[in-house]
Amino acid sequence: GEDVEQSLFLSVREGDSSVINCTYTDSSSTYLYWYKQEPGAGLQLLTYIFSNMDMKQDQRLTVLLNKKDKHLSLRIADTQTGDSAIYFCAETNQGGKLIFGQGTELSVKP
Amino acid sequence: SAVISQKPSRDICQRGTSLTIQCQVDSQVTMMFWYRQQPGQSLTLIATANQGSEATYESGFVIDKFPISRPNLTFSTLTVSNMSPEDSSIYLCSVETGRAEAFFGQGTRLTVV
Repeated sequence: GEDVEQSLFLSVREGDSSVINCTYTDSSSTYLYWYKQEPGAGLQLLTYIFSNMDMKQDQRLTVLLNKKDKHLSLRIADTQTGDSAIYFCAETNQGGKLIFGQGTELSVKP
Repeated sequence: SAVISQKPSRDICQRGTSLTIQCQVDSQVTMMFWYRQQPGQSLTLIATANQGSEATYESGFVIDKFPISRPNLTFSTLTVSNMSPEDSSIYLCSVETGRAEAFFGQGTRLTVV
């Protein structure tokens, strides 16, 4: 079946850029998502990208998609301590039915 | 966007009992989804709740254990039946707005003792 993989941990210093990577196996993915989950909270939709796009930028967030390699990344510019959270990559080819990666725990050190 | 409210936000339940989780959306949506997030794990889809028809369950999840209701386009419930400690998880409701945006409620944190 479809699979989504992420590295489990990332540690950066405040002010640096963070890059969280994700790979997926479903070649028929139509949308790919990035969610943020803070401790004890639900999932916050950060951004999403359509599969025919290469890049999407939204303020400090940049999403890059390499469809050939089935690789998705999320870059957070000027990372702040408030960005510390778990970041989930997800994909779908059936609107609303998402397959999630295992999440990357981002730790931002002052 | 869609605002999703879940109730309860957390509960501690005795094994063998059942808990019904409510999900209310501030706009009409065709499809609602229920996910489970086991401790320290990612999210797994339990079922798709369609208004006016039976829910569609994913492999490994059955209606007897997780009955779902979808009485209208803004509301759904998920019941966790005959609970055991293995059911301790966060249960999340999600909606897809038709513009590819998939939003989640804040989740229900269930502990079974």
